Amino acid sequence: GQNIDQPTEMTATEGAIVQINCTYQTSGFNGLFWYQQHAGEAPTFLSYNVLDGLEEKGRFSSFLSRSKGYSYLLLKELQMKDSASYLCAVRLKGGSSNTGKLIFGQGTTLQVKP
Amino acid sequence: DGGITQSPKYLFRKEGQNVTLSCEQNLNHDAMYWYRQDPGQGLRLIYYSQIVNDFQKGDIAEGYSVSREKKESFPLTVTSAQKNPTAFYLCASGINQPQHFGDGTRLSIL
Repeated sequence: GQNIDQPTEMTATEGAIVQINCTYQTSGFNGLFWYQQHAGEAPTFLSYNVLDGLEEKGRFSSFLSRSKGYSYLLLKELQMKDSASYLCAVRLKGGSSNTGKLIFGQGTTLQVKP
Repeated sequence: DGGITQSPKYLFRKEGQNVTLSCEQNLNHDAMYWYRQDPGQGLRLIYYSQIVNDFQKGDIAEGYSVSREKKESFPLTVTSAQKNPTAFYLCASGINQPQHFGDGTRLSIL
């Protein structure tokens, strides 16, 4: 089966750094995505990792270890507007075909406090 | 601007009624996807289509149907067989690129 785990909720302080972890067990792997979703809105793409290592994009960074089935999203210099849900998703690869199918974790709700 | 357009934004279904959610994209993507999101949950795949005139069931296809007659369009019908249709429905496109989503349709029962 496919399984993706994230913490349900996290709280952090404005200006601080927070790390949101994601572990996965999937049959086939073709990349890991992080999305941000504000309440009542659609998810928006944040970052993508397909090789091991760190990808940095402004205040957001994402790390991947394929051998450990592990990723994290790092948010620096937290702002109040970063309060949202963060979704981890794995793109599956079945044999030689790439269907583009994504399997999502349940999301981590981050609350940023003043 | 290129993007994905979903309509309507809000939809209400009566008992025994089928309703159809629209999804249109002008990104020239071959692949399109429908996801369902329940409160406090991640997204679950309903149906997907990799090419025109072809589509496959996702993880929760029961009670739903789709068609893919044009590259730009991938409508989802929620049939009366879907007993718990209240959810946020999201359409996405793109197979190798990061998937981008439409703004979603929120479906409720009257």
